[in-house]
Amino acid sequence: GAGVSQSPRYKVAKRGQDVALRCDPISGHVSLFWYQQALGQGPEFLTYFQNEAQLDKSGLPSDRFFAERPEGSVSTLKIQRTQQEDSAVYLCASSLDGDGSGANVLTFGAGSRLTVL
Amino acid sequence: AQSVAQPEDQVNVAEGNPLTVKCTYSVSGNPYLFWYVQYPNRGLQFLLKYITGDNLVKGSYGFEAEFNKSQTSFHLKKPSALVSDSALYFCAVRDPKNAGNMLTFGGGTRLMVKP
Repeated sequence: GAGVSQSPRYKVAKRGQDVALRCDPISGHVSLFWYQQALGQGPEFLTYFQNEAQLDKSGLPSDRFFAERPEGSVSTLKIQRTQQEDSAVYLCASSLDGDGSGANVLTFGAGSRLTVL
Repeated sequence: AQSVAQPEDQVNVAEGNPLTVKCTYSVSGNPYLFWYVQYPNRGLQFLLKYITGDNLVKGSYGFEAEFNKSQTSFHLKKPSALVSDSALYFCAVRDPKNAGNMLTFGGGTRLMVKP
């Protein structure tokens, strides 16, 4: 597609519910990133994929957070047993580079805003 | 570890005046530096980047930034601000030696341009 698409745009969950957030990266983009942006703050890194391989998950805040990209394209971020502190905008980004140089630009989706009641 | 600091939560400037949004960084080696802008309910949009070469980088919408290695800074500038420039601006750094490829963002600076 023309851009990075994320769904749902808005999600309200009751505390304890599981949620799944989807990211459709730009076609052909090798690298995919998930970031968490709390209100009034900058994005915080969660995890990184190169194709289907999850190369870095050091930013995932707890074992309740899980991400996958099984076919190297669409990615899903799953949060189990949601807590109020999980409320944030979850941003997905993709980039073309697969060489690990890091010089390529990340293209971000509009984000999924999660509110946990 | 890599980090970015944006010391100003908000910058106010009158339309037509020059603007500067400050950014300092910390990495172990030579950095890759980026500026992104975020409009309400939108994702981050790329403005410009410094990888290597000329210290003055020109980007989208008339913005530019100057890489200063001695001061570890990468301030964003524009000669003449527009009301439509009002948005949230994020500086970001990547350490090319970091195999994880992670982009680290600052806390953001809200730019308010008044008519």
